[in-house]
Amino acid sequence: KAGVTQTPRYLIKTRGQQVTLSCSPISGHRSVSWYQQTPGQGLQFLFEYFSETQRNKGNFPGRFSGRQFSNSRSEMNVSTLELGDSALYLCASSLDGAWGLFFGEGSRLTVL
Amino acid sequence: KQEVTQIPAALSVPEGENLVLNCSFTDSAIYNLQWFRQDPGKGLTSLLLIQSSQREQTSGRLNASLDKSSGRSTLYIAASQPGDSATYLCAVRPGTYKYIFGTGTRLKVLA
Repeated sequence: KAGVTQTPRYLIKTRGQQVTLSCSPISGHRSVSWYQQTPGQGLQFLFEYFSETQRNKGNFPGRFSGRQFSNSRSEMNVSTLELGDSALYLCASSLDGAWGLFFGEGSRLTVL
Repeated sequence: KQEVTQIPAALSVPEGENLVLNCSFTDSAIYNLQWFRQDPGKGLTSLLLIQSSQREQTSGRLNASLDKSSGRSTLYIAASQPGDSATYLCAVRPGTYKYIFGTGTRLKVLA
């Protein structure tokens, strides 16, 4: 069974640009969550989607957005990038958001 | 507001030692608790998931316990090996489709 796949794995952007990250969950999993990991703040919850609906959102500015498609694949977008957005962005899939999380390898974003 | 704390932040032990990692949470109203390991630059690997109705879970050399009333969980690693070196994170699900993570314990097992 394939695991959670995140693309791209690494990317470098400059301030003011935007970025889109992609996540393909484990087959059969309908819940996808996104987390930001930084050395200073640790793992912070961004948002969770289930069957194309956002069920919960963390305390991040509106520049951070996401969506989920009918095949459960998810994307997150960050607009008007700031230096502080440099982080490892992790996607996790779950059967329904309750029975544990399974993470991908993450997308490492560097903002210059 | 749920807060999750992991102590110690870092731990260094000789190979073969049995060890215990601690996780504390402030609100006992949780649905489950999950332990992960993270290798440098990698994603999180799920180790054990304990539902709120359970007291412990075991997988190989790992055993995790949960005491909701005291807001504590421990991860016991038996006969530690250098390959166990990683950061170990615990996370609780307070019931709102998100998990709250601790800051992790960085473990180094010396050969």
